Amino acid sequence: AQSVTQLDSQVPVFEEAPVELRCNYSSSVSVYLFWYVQYPNQGLQLLLKYLSGSTLVKGINGFEAEFNKSQTSFHLRKPSVHISDTAEYFCAVRNSGTYKYIFGTGTRLKVLA
Amino acid sequence: EAGVTQFPSHSVIEKGQTVTLRCDPISGHDNLYWYRRVMGKEIKFLLHFVKESKQDESGMPNNRFLAERTGGTYSTLKVQPAELEDSGVYFCASSQAAAGEQFFGPGTRLTVL
Repeated sequence: AQSVTQLDSQVPVFEEAPVELRCNYSSSVSVYLFWYVQYPNQGLQLLLKYLSGSTLVKGINGFEAEFNKSQTSFHLRKPSVHISDTAEYFCAVRNSGTYKYIFGTGTRLKVLA
Repeated sequence: EAGVTQFPSHSVIEKGQTVTLRCDPISGHDNLYWYRRVMGKEIKFLLHFVKESKQDESGMPNNRFLAERTGGTYSTLKVQPAELEDSGVYFCASSQAAAGEQFFGPGTRLTVL
């Protein structure tokens, strides 16, 4: 069965430091990959997505992610975080041609002053 | 253009009571989905509507959950009777095409005491 693993449940990081949130998935077919963010008291917002093409995907708010097919990973990175990046981040996959999203358990990013 | 809206944002009920959650998709989106996140776990797919028809309800936990989408516009998800393990955040999403990008609502936080 398809699954998404976000090993880090919480990641504390100081402001202006770089951050990487890890995501690994298991799938035997072609997939689309997504990162969503949920700010406190708000809904899920799409940060970025990989559908095809370049494996380095740039998203909103300075985030980027790299699709690595051999390692089945889609780690999210930001070179310098802000306090406002404090939120919960979800990695998700969807098999191409289907509609079900499979989500990871989420990573809470806490940016410290 | 308005996004996906959900009502209420929070609901606190006693075990055994009934609760109805509502989702209004983006106008023109025929596809509507319900997902649920219980505490600390991943966001899980519940069901998928195309217009007023249920296409896939494989994720519905049990027969205490009833989803409807009369007229193919807004959808309701009723839990009757509610149990403690039903507590969580219920997300709704909509898309134009079944395999297209899903836009998520802010979620309804349900607490069953």
